[in-house]
Amino acid sequence: QQPVQSPQAVILREGEDAVINCSSSKALYSVHWYRQKHGEAPVFLMILLKGGEQKGHDKISASFNEKKQQSSLYLTASQLSYSGTYFCGTDSGAGSYQLTFGKGTKLSVIP
Amino acid sequence: DARVTQTPRHKVTEMGQEVTMRCQPILGHNTVFWYRQTMMQGLELLAYFRNRAPLDDSGMPKDRFSAEMPDATLATLKIQPSEPRDSAVYFCASGLVRTGGSSYEQYFGPGTRLTVT
Repeated sequence: QQPVQSPQAVILREGEDAVINCSSSKALYSVHWYRQKHGEAPVFLMILLKGGEQKGHDKISASFNEKKQQSSLYLTASQLSYSGTYFCGTDSGAGSYQLTFGKGTKLSVIP
Repeated sequence: DARVTQTPRHKVTEMGQEVTMRCQPILGHNTVFWYRQTMMQGLELLAYFRNRAPLDDSGMPKDRFSAEMPDATLATLKIQPSEPRDSAVYFCASGLVRTGGSSYEQYFGPGTRLTVT
């Protein structure tokens, strides 16, 4: 079952923060986050495994609440280069290694 | 800089024609995925392989789609016959699953943009 992402779209000014959420109706083993720029391939950002860990990558970080089957991606002090569509991919079982992707959140950062 | 490559990058064909898309995964990766992306459905998994063996192709329309991995450096996705509703961007992705490993990242190729008229 496809995870649900919110919001569907967001517009930020440079320097502002944003949160993108990903919710699943199924128990999750891991959550993956990818960013896709227009006309390009999705690019891996980070994986969060069962255990409620939080990860960071520069000014982009994410959390995973396995009890709520939710993950959130945090973008702080946004830059123009952050623009793109963000996808979460969920993996519901150890050993399956296949992802079901949400429909994406389109993020636009303007000067 | 290791990358997944896909050919062709663009394909325009007429309904009923056979289409073959090719993917070269990153050397050393043991898992290959085929995805289809459309505005309406987003990214959908069509099929995937581990060590060249097909593990799941439940996302593919069986009557017209087929996926193979003739060797470790080549994965193919064929559509025969093609239909206008097959128009989409098809991505190949590869990854390395280690024995007893947990989830791993997938590296996507640039995609094949298919238009069926």
